Order: sequence, then structure tokens, then C-alpha cells
Amino acid sequence: DGGITQSPKYLFRKEGQNVTLSCEQNLNHDAMYWYRQDPGQGLRLIYYSQIVNDFQKGDIAEGYSVSREKKESFPLTVTSAQKNPTAFYLCASSIIRALNTEAFFGQGTRLTVV
Amino acid sequence: GDSVTQMEGPVTLSEEAFLTINCTYTATGYPSLFWYVQYPGEGLQLLLKATKADDKGSNKGFEATYRKETTSFHLEKGSVQVSDSAVYFCALSNTGNQFYFGTGTSLTVIP
Repeated sequence: DGGITQSPKYLFRKEGQNVTLSCEQNLNHDAMYWYRQDPGQGLRLIYYSQIVNDFQKGDIAEGYSVSREKKESFPLTVTSAQKNPTAFYLCASSIIRALNTEAFFGQGTRLTVV
Repeated sequence: GDSVTQMEGPVTLSEEAFLTINCTYTATGYPSLFWYVQYPGEGLQLLLKATKADDKGSNKGFEATYRKETTSFHLEKGSVQVSDSAVYFCALSNTGNQFYFGTGTSLTVIP
């Protein structure tokens, strides 16, 4: 089955540590996105990528980093510079340059700083 | 810039009640419009979409009509069920490259 897989589902991090969230898709989509969701709030864009080896900052990129070495993979690293990393993180993908296409989402990773 | 504004919740309804969740948008050109649903602890799932003015998207008894004259895409369902309890997000895509989401509306349906 085609889809987006995020792992792990739950992640605990000690303060001062970097952690990496995995996102893999087998939909052959060009574009991939990372969003952050806080309780009672909408989705805020962290980073997005439209092509391998290229990515752009979203609205809240500070304290995060990404890579896009393969079309199907778009890992997100939450660095120690992110002061409030506890949140629900969602990865998505889409076909680009197609106006009637939607974004497909993974199941999310809940990150908690302990 | 492009943006979406949707009705704030939470919304609580009795089973079989009529549901409306308002959504308006700001965008240049002719965006595609979407409604997504999120169940607790899960990602977003596409509920329905419309890609041009006057299109009606529908799925699982939910409907929304793309109204360019009022820049709206309100979600409706004639008779909600307990299983419809979730958070609903309105969204748009203008170039096919980025998506803009509303803040979400939490719906609770009580038996």
C-alpha cells in the first residue's frame, strides 16, 4: 500500500539532546513537508522540499534541520536550539505543479521533552 | 498572502443534529480547497476537496461548495454521528506547492 510512514510514534528527549524524526513515502511524490501541531492550534510549517537536495524554511524553522538525500525520505532533526520542542509533528507529501492534488499525511510523531 | 479562517470551536452537537463549520479564505487566483479530518493521536486525512468555483466536494455524508463570490467553503453534514467526533481543518493550495491550513475546529457528538 502506498503511503507515508513516520517513526517513531512516540519519542522522548532529554533537554539538550538532538533527535531525528523519520518520514518515508512510497507515493513517488516530489514535495514533502514538516508541520508542527500544538494543542488546540493549527499546523505550522517547519520546512518543505520540492526536489532532492533542496529544501526551504517554513514559518518556524529555527531550531530544526532537515535533509533530502532521497526522494522518498525527509528526516527532521529537532536540535537543542529548539527551546520548546514538545509537540506533535506531522509529515506530508504531495505532487507539485498539479493544482487539484492534496497533501497526504503520515500518522505523526509525538515528541516529549523530559 | 494566502490564508484560511475557520470557525473556532469547540462544537458540541447531539447525534443526528445538523453540522456547519464555516471556512473562508484569502487567496489570489483560483486555489484548490480542502477539508481534512483528524482523529485523536492521528495524522490528517482528506475528507473532501473542490478545485474550481461552484464545485461541490462530498464524502461520507459531508459536503462543501466552493463559493468564489463569498470566498467560502463551509462544511456541512445533515445528521452527525458519534463517530464524526474529530478535529476538522479547512485548507487551500494555490500553486500546488504549498498548503495553508485553518486552526481547526473540534467537534464532539454526544449520543
